[in-house]
Parts: sequence; structure tokens; C-alpha cells
Amino acid sequence: QSALTQPASVSGSPGQSIAISCTGTNSDIGAYNYVSWYQQHPGKAPKLMIYEVSNRPSGVSNRFSGSKSGNTASLTISGLQAEDEADYYCSAYTTSSTRVFGGGTKLTVL
Amino acid sequence: QVQLVESGGGVVQPGRSLRLSCAASGFTFSTHGMHWVRQAPGKGLEWVAVISYDGSDKFYADSVKGRFTISRDNSKNTLYLQMNSLRAEDTAVYYCAKDLHIPIVDYWGQGTLVTVSS
Repeated sequence: QSALTQPASVSGSPGQSIAISCTGTNSDIGAYNYVSWYQQHPGKAPKLMIYEVSNRPSGVSNRFSGSKSGNTASLTISGLQAEDEADYYCSAYTTSSTRVFGGGTKLTVL
Repeated sequence: QVQLVESGGGVVQPGRSLRLSCAASGFTFSTHGMHWVRQAPGKGLEWVAVISYDGSDKFYADSVKGRFTISRDNSKNTLYLQMNSLRAEDTAVYYCAKDLHIPIVDYWGQGTLVTVSS
């Protein structure tokens, strides 16, 4: 049950686009399309931003998009805004019916 | 709207036990899988356990297997986590979370803090 691998930090200026990668294995990201992304502001509960690789829940801005290739998933945020500054976590369903999270990525909007 | 309210956290000595509860409302509790996820201070999210909608299937992280037990009472719309043989490394905010009708967590509670310390 090793954690998925994410970069510790990314940064971008307002209006720019950034991408956060999430690398797993054939037993999690590579096995199913049950990949999700969460946004967490300090002191708050996580919020679902992307599910099933690329679907957005109602109310989530279309500036957020997701994709997957092999054992790596990615979250892209376009038109960066100050309120996007937060921690982002990927998660995947595994072949053992468990769940696994990434280590988290701190997004800084410069 | 969906509400998940955790309770039962607190300070406990190493080796002791604690039971967390999560009161659910705003959705049909008995038709959704439910999770516990924890976050140590200043650290990332760690998945702990999941229970199926009817309680028939339960899965655990290796770090808690044999010490923690997840359960639910669908008549009370409540999720539980029985934590035994607690260790310092179990110190974390524990979140209750629900699944969509697929294995994806969509809503989280606000969490309850468990501190294991002598």
C-alpha cells in the first residue's frame, strides 16, 4: 500500500496554467479509471475536484481538468486564481479494494 | 445537503482504546460505502478503512489492520471506528467520508482530532 507519487510543490502566476502529476502502479492508477483529485485549504476538509479521471462534480470550475496515461494521472488548472492556492491530493482505487492517496502537492500562486 | 459530523476524538494514552462516531444526514446512508481517512499534523491524507453500504465488506490499511475496526449502524445513520492498541503515530485528524455509487470519495466531514500521548 505505497502512496501515490506527487511533486511536493508547484507554483504559477495568476492566469497561467499548471499541471500536477500523480504516479502509481498497475495495481491502482493503471488498473481502473477510479482516480480522483481533492483540494484542501488550511484547516479545512478536502473537497472533491475531479472524479473518474476527468469528470468534474457540479459546482467545480471548468478551469480544473484531469487526465490519465498508463500509471500516471494529471490535474491541470488553467487561468490560475489566488483562491486556487491550496494542497492537492490524488487518490485511486486499488486491486485490493482499498484506496490510496498521493503525498500531496502544495500549489502556490505567485 | 450532505452532512457528516465526527465525534469521539480526544487525548488517549498509548496502548489504550478509543471509539469514533460519524453521524450522517442529507443522503441515504444505507446505500453508500463509507470511509475513515486520517491526516497527521502537517502531513498528507492517509486512507484508513472502508465499509460497504450494508456492512458486509470491510477493508483496512496495513498500518491499522488488526487494531482498528470499522462498523456501521444503518438504523442510526452512524459510522464507527473502534481503535485499539493506539500508538503515537495514530495521532491525526480523523475524517469520515462517503463514497459516490462508485469507489470514489465525494464528501468529507470536518474531522475529529485524536492525540495519542502519555
